[in-house]
Amino acid sequence: AQSVAQPEDQVNVAEGNPLTVKCTYSVSGNPYLFWYVQYPNRGLQFLLKYITGDNLVKGSYGFEAEFNKSQTSFHLKKPSALVSDSALYFCAVRAPGSGYSTLTFGKGTMLLVS
Amino acid sequence: EAGVAQSPRYKIIEKRQSVAFWCNPISGHATLYWYQQILGQGPKLLIQFQNNGVVDDSQLPKDRFSAERLKGVDSTLKIQPAKLEDSAVYLCASSFRQDRSDTIYFGEGSWLTVV
Repeated sequence: AQSVAQPEDQVNVAEGNPLTVKCTYSVSGNPYLFWYVQYPNRGLQFLLKYITGDNLVKGSYGFEAEFNKSQTSFHLKKPSALVSDSALYFCAVRAPGSGYSTLTFGKGTMLLVS
Repeated sequence: EAGVAQSPRYKIIEKRQSVAFWCNPISGHATLYWYQQILGQGPKLLIQFQNNGVVDDSQLPKDRFSAERLKGVDSTLKIQPAKLEDSAVYLCASSFRQDRSDTIYFGEGSWLTVV
């Protein structure tokens, strides 16, 4: 069974500082990994995904994520945080291969930028 | 490009009443999903459609939840009778195909409070 862990319920960062939101996964084979952001009273917005290739993936709003196979991690990063980045962030994983496979989400990490 | 449309955005009902949510996916997207997001948790898949056929409804509480996707476009999710624990955000989403690498795009959600 596949699973995602987001070990921090909340991350606090000062505006202008770099930010990292952590994600680790468990799945058989090379995973497909996704990050989504949810602003208050809104749905989930897609940020970026890793399918294959370069381990550093760049996405929307200046975010990037690094796939690390040996550590089974896919941490979300941004060089300089903005107050407007404050939101709930979800990491999600899908097993590789063909056929049906569900997208499994972590419980989310609240990012507060002040 | 228009996103995934959902209505109503907010609904408050009493327990044992019924409620229905409507979803219109992104044009051309064959795969449609309904997720349930309870406060403090990540979204959980309730049902997935490929065109108008059900691919996975293993986590849909079928004694009270039902969903349909007539003509392979719009979809409706119904809850009858509602329980207090059904209070959640119901997220509709769509993707172009069922391919595992496809991005899933979400709507704004329908926020349900059962009192």
